[in-house]
Amino acid sequence: DADVTQTPRNRITKTGKRIMLECSQTKGHDRMYWYRQDPGLGLRLIYYSFDVKDINKGEISDGYSVSRQAQAKFSLSLESAIPNQTALYFCATSDSGTGAHEQYFGPGTRLTVT
Amino acid sequence: QQQVKQSPQSLIVQKGGISIINCAYENTAFDYFPWYQQFPGKGPALLIAIRPDVSEKKEGRFTISFNKSAKQFSLHIMDSQPGDSATYFCAASPSGAGSYQLTFGKGTKLSVIP
Repeated sequence: DADVTQTPRNRITKTGKRIMLECSQTKGHDRMYWYRQDPGLGLRLIYYSFDVKDINKGEISDGYSVSRQAQAKFSLSLESAIPNQTALYFCATSDSGTGAHEQYFGPGTRLTVT
Repeated sequence: QQQVKQSPQSLIVQKGGISIINCAYENTAFDYFPWYQQFPGKGPALLIAIRPDVSEKKEGRFTISFNKSAKQFSLHIMDSQPGDSATYFCAASPSGAGSYQLTFGKGTKLSVIP
């Protein structure tokens, strides 16, 4: 987990506020991902990035945007938070060269929208 | 459409017993099947993975059994210990250009009681 860090770890915000979740990695991986975890629903992909200039929507991208500021940094933004975006958010990385399948997850951010 | 179905949702096993978690998939393009282990407050971590060219893979007390014709795979935890108590996710991904795309099951919460 220490190779993939997420900030903040916990956040409570109000409906309508803009919020940014940040992810940094020291693994040297080129690919980065944002997932959302809800109880009983598993992990669902929000956005993924193959490199700084290659960003793609995942299964549930509506209401979210991302920015890949550098190979090591990938941020997730909620432009106008709503209560059903309350969830655990995970950043993950993988290396296209050695094993694109293997994804390494950060410790997560618990977001509550009131 | 849920492409990876996981059961049971929760499982209670006595210490020393065998824990079995099952997954079924629909997409015949899947050719990589990992299991992730998640402890409370942590991100998922890769536990063990299998490709369909073998029917079984064992790592310590953890074994994946794979049935390609039935499109099913399962995780067996032998001699289950309280420290194995966690949520387990199966996943699947295709090869090639889609190898980044992990589709997760909904998870199984395992509790190993002394």
